[in-house]
Amino acid sequence: AQTVTQSQPEMSVQEAETVTLSCTYDTSESDYYLFWYKQPPSRQMILVIRQEAYKQQNATENRFSVNFQKAAKSFSLKISDSQLGDAAMYFCAYRSETSGSRLTFGEGTQLTVNP
Amino acid sequence: DVKVTQSSRYLVKRTGEKVFLECVQDMDHENMFWYRQDPGLGLRLIYFSYDVKMKEKGDIPEGYSVSREKKERFSLILESASTNQTSMYLCASIPQPGLLAKNIQYFGAGTRLSVL
Repeated sequence: AQTVTQSQPEMSVQEAETVTLSCTYDTSESDYYLFWYKQPPSRQMILVIRQEAYKQQNATENRFSVNFQKAAKSFSLKISDSQLGDAAMYFCAYRSETSGSRLTFGEGTQLTVNP
Repeated sequence: DVKVTQSSRYLVKRTGEKVFLECVQDMDHENMFWYRQDPGLGLRLIYFSYDVKMKEKGDIPEGYSVSREKKERFSLILESASTNQTSMYLCASIPQPGLLAKNIQYFGAGTRLSVL
């Protein structure tokens, strides 16, 4: 079974600084997708960024980028120029080609942004 | 925009009560999911459905059942609520795989259930 691990229950960053959230996963599959979701206090889960495992290039969405290391099974999220609105719970998630639409989530990392 | 609506934001029930959590999506998605979110455990899949009247167990189905009579609605049922079912419940939907690589799950805002 696939597992996703986020080893940092809490992280904090100063406004305008950069922070990296860690995620590792375990799988025997070769085709899969990785996601970072954000859950602000409103509780509405929002997709931040996604990565297809067959793509070597790291995904980037504005201030958000990932460092995808397939051999190490690592998928970290970097937030640049952190803003107060980035404060939220962040979840790393995995989906394989063979599991249909099912997502496996990590434990979550609570990010605090200090002014 | 896709909208996934959960009928209640907060719910308080008594032990032994039958509880219904309702979820409706407005984008004709085939697949719908119920997750449970607990601190330190992330989101865990309870049940999911690929089509009307179809359901499959997720990772933690014990104590729960589901109903999908119409495509847009997916209900989670606690037959006899217990205190260990106090949690946040999230519903999600996604279109049928076809362009699976492009598809993402859309989530409702969650129902925080307290069982006393």
